[in-house]
Amino acid sequence: DGGITQSPKYLFRKEGQNVTLSCEQNLNHDAMYWYRQDPGQGLRLIYYSQIVNDFQKGDIAEGYSVSREKKESFPLTVTSAQKNPTAFYLCASSRGGTVRGYTFGSGTRLTVV
Amino acid sequence: GQQVMQIPQYQHVQEGEDFTTYCNSSTTLSNIQWYKQRPGGHPVFLIQLVKSGEVKKQKRLTFQFGEAKKNSSLHITATQTTDVGTYFCAGPSYSGGGADGLTFGKGTHLIIQP
Repeated sequence: DGGITQSPKYLFRKEGQNVTLSCEQNLNHDAMYWYRQDPGQGLRLIYYSQIVNDFQKGDIAEGYSVSREKKESFPLTVTSAQKNPTAFYLCASSRGGTVRGYTFGSGTRLTVV
Repeated sequence: GQQVMQIPQYQHVQEGEDFTTYCNSSTTLSNIQWYKQRPGGHPVFLIQLVKSGEVKKQKRLTFQFGEAKKNSSLHITATQTTDVGTYFCAGPSYSGGGADGLTFGKGTHLIIQP
């Protein structure tokens, strides 16, 4: 079955460390997105990519970085510059940008210890 | 920037009662989408509305898009325990040439008491 796989499901990070969250899709979607969700909050856009080798900052990109070297993969790195990284991170993909519904992965819950 | 607001934030209902959540955008939307997130889960796409005044139904769920394409609602008839979760609306946000991504509301948490 096609879908989006995020790993790991849970991640613990020490302060000052960079961590990378994996997102892989086999839906043949061009567009991929990273969102952050905090308790009681909606989803906030971190980065998005409409095509391979191109990506754009979203509303809260500071302290994060991404790459899009393959159509199937869109990893997110949470750097030490991100001051409050504890959150639930969701990766999504879409066939037609915002004119089609998103398919979300099951998320990675990141905790800073 | 664009804002998408949802009310209420929380809604407690008795099983069998109806439920409605409302979504308002600060800008006119080309389309609006609705998602459901079960507790501990991830958002799942429910539906997309495109036309002014559009109404769509999925079993006990009725979705409406306002005439001005700035507001929307989701109505659930005779709620069941399987309806528990958070319902999000989302609309495209734009800057420069194209759509950046979806802007999500903060969601309405539906809590059902048996």
